[in-house]
Amino acid sequence: NAGVTQTPKFQVLKTGQSMTLQCAQDMNHEYMSWYRQDPGMGLRLIHYSVGAGITDQGEVPNGYNVSRSTTEDFPLRLLSAAPSQTSVYFCASSLDRGSDQPQHFGDGTRLSIL
Amino acid sequence: AQKVTQAQTEISVVEKEDVTLDCVYETRDTTYYLFWYKQPPSGELVFLIRRNSFDEQNEISGRYSWNFQKSTSSFNFTITASQVVDSAVYFCALSELMIYNQGGKLIFGQGTELSVKP
Repeated sequence: NAGVTQTPKFQVLKTGQSMTLQCAQDMNHEYMSWYRQDPGMGLRLIHYSVGAGITDQGEVPNGYNVSRSTTEDFPLRLLSAAPSQTSVYFCASSLDRGSDQPQHFGDGTRLSIL
Repeated sequence: AQKVTQAQTEISVVEKEDVTLDCVYETRDTTYYLFWYKQPPSGELVFLIRRNSFDEQNEISGRYSWNFQKSTSSFNFTITASQVVDSAVYFCALSELMIYNQGGKLIFGQGTELSVKP
């Protein structure tokens, strides 16, 4: 099983560029989410989805868009990259939307904005 | 507001020492879930344990043990006879109660970086 797959693993962008971070899971998980990890701050929730066609904002949504057209995929879009978005991004999924479900994380995407 | 505090930013021990990682949380919910995740130097996040608010039994898994105390809002993690492979960043997290089908949203602590030296 591949689990949660994130691409790319590394990316360097210039300020103002746009890009999409890909996330796919093959476990038929209902719940998917995006977190960013910054030094000394743990992980913070950006956006999440409780099922295909349903998304909502997390703690730090500004500058990011998401959509969920299929159960498997949950891409994260940066419309106009800013240096403050330099971070490590993790996609996660869990079996259902219950708060008791452990989340399975991808390996992360390390993003640098110059 | 929900909050998780891991006051120990970095801990360094010598192999075979026991080490305890502290986690203190704040929540108004009566039903909640606590998690520990491990992030080794390779960067991935590995789920270690889940505990619900109604189960205060301590849990032991090999060299790992967890002490959950609702009275002090703490969920501490102890590694017995530490090994170099235990070197990692460890995160404690609190899951917000599902409200209106919002799903499980994890609130993470800042993480504790554990270094185990040979």
